Amino acid sequence: NAGVTQTPKFRILKIGQSMTLQCAQDMNHNYMYWYRQDPGMGLKLIYYSVGAGITDKGEVPNGYNVSRSTTEDFPLRLELAAPSQTSVYFCASSTRTDHNEQFFGPGTRLTVL
Amino acid sequence: GIQVEQSPPDLILQEGANSTLRCNFSDSVNNLQWFHQNPWGQLINLFYIPSGTKQNGRLSATTVATERYSLLYISSSQTTDSGVYFCAVELKQAGTALIFGKGTTLSVSS
Repeated sequence: NAGVTQTPKFRILKIGQSMTLQCAQDMNHNYMYWYRQDPGMGLKLIYYSVGAGITDKGEVPNGYNVSRSTTEDFPLRLELAAPSQTSVYFCASSTRTDHNEQFFGPGTRLTVL
Repeated sequence: GIQVEQSPPDLILQEGANSTLRCNFSDSVNNLQWFHQNPWGQLINLFYIPSGTKQNGRLSATTVATERYSLLYISSSQTTDSGVYFCAVELKQAGTALIFGKGTTLSVSS
């Protein structure tokens, strides 16, 4: 199992550009999450999904969109990138059973200039 | 909302020393996890420990859910233990995402 994979690892965007961060998991997990981590801080939830076709906002959703067309994939879309979106983005997944341990991908480091 | 507080914020150790990291949380939780973020930014699952005690090699963790705290013990620390240790909790009432503390930054020197 590859676990949770994310692409790209690094990206630099100009203000106003858009991009999609990819996330995939091969553990057949129903729940998937996007977090962002700003320097010196813990992670904050952007969006999450409880299954294909179902998504919901987290703590910091503004400026982002998500979709969940399959169990495996959960892409995060940035429209009109802003310097405030410079951060490290982590995708995670979990089974959402009694043992709801979350597993994280390696992260995408995004810089908006 | 729920607060997750970690202490100490920073810790400097000599190789071979022991340490205890603490996580206090302000509400009932379904899930508590400890992570190690290494210097390359990777988040590594250490423990899934909503209650009780677990051990994995030189690391162990204890969560006392009724008193709303968790402890992470690192024994005989090594330079590879350096990095940031995060505690994260999932709310019992809302259950879904993890809420992270700000972390404890550990530096182990040889």
